[in-house]
Amino acid sequence: QKEVEQDPGPLSVPEGAIVSLNCTYSNSAFQYFMWYRQYSRKGPELLMYTYSSGNKEDGRFTAQVDKSSKYISLFIRDSQPSDSATYLCAFNAGNNRKLIWGLGTSLAVNP
Amino acid sequence: DTGVSQNPRHKITKRGQNVTFRCDPISEHNRLYWYRQTLGQGPEFLTYFQNEAQLEKSRLLSDRFSAERPKGSFSTLEIQRTEQGDSAMYLCASSPRWERGPSYEQYFGPGTRLTVT
Repeated sequence: QKEVEQDPGPLSVPEGAIVSLNCTYSNSAFQYFMWYRQYSRKGPELLMYTYSSGNKEDGRFTAQVDKSSKYISLFIRDSQPSDSATYLCAFNAGNNRKLIWGLGTSLAVNP
Repeated sequence: DTGVSQNPRHKITKRGQNVTFRCDPISEHNRLYWYRQTLGQGPEFLTYFQNEAQLEKSRLLSDRFSAERPKGSFSTLEIQRTEQGDSAMYLCASSPRWERGPSYEQYFGPGTRLTVT
């Protein structure tokens, strides 16, 4: 079983739609849960991080963590064409070292 | 611009040649990471420095790969005797000292795209 599973898509939605992106994981030691956004030919940029189960909101973005199900989600409200990018989930076991990444989901928001 | 910088942005080399990439982290970030990313994949961890000490290396980092971070500032990644399978984007990231922010927050540079012909 892979440590992290993420559907690579591609996902195509109309402008204004609500987007749901998900990852599952198997390592119970993961304590930090992150979402990165990566535009084509650029490095990833940190969007949101959470430490515990529950929801965290930042503008149009909501990150959700369910530790009991080992499942994390990122919701994007009122999606914009500028949100078109690859979204990567990443995990850290709290040891200040490497991140474990999903494959990334490619999202296209069509005007 | 005070973000992570990487040079060169693109490198085309012939198989068997050596290449060296440079990463300049955000000032005062004491942790530095190297990742490799191929198309359609998430980044794969290569190695990690805390200050000048290389604390972890992935088994992906074969004997042909070496990384340094002299004086705990910039870092270099060298690939000797390049192979076509080394073609990828090489990403560098840095994170701040623990007392200045969560160290799991990693800030990435734009990457160096390597093509081995």
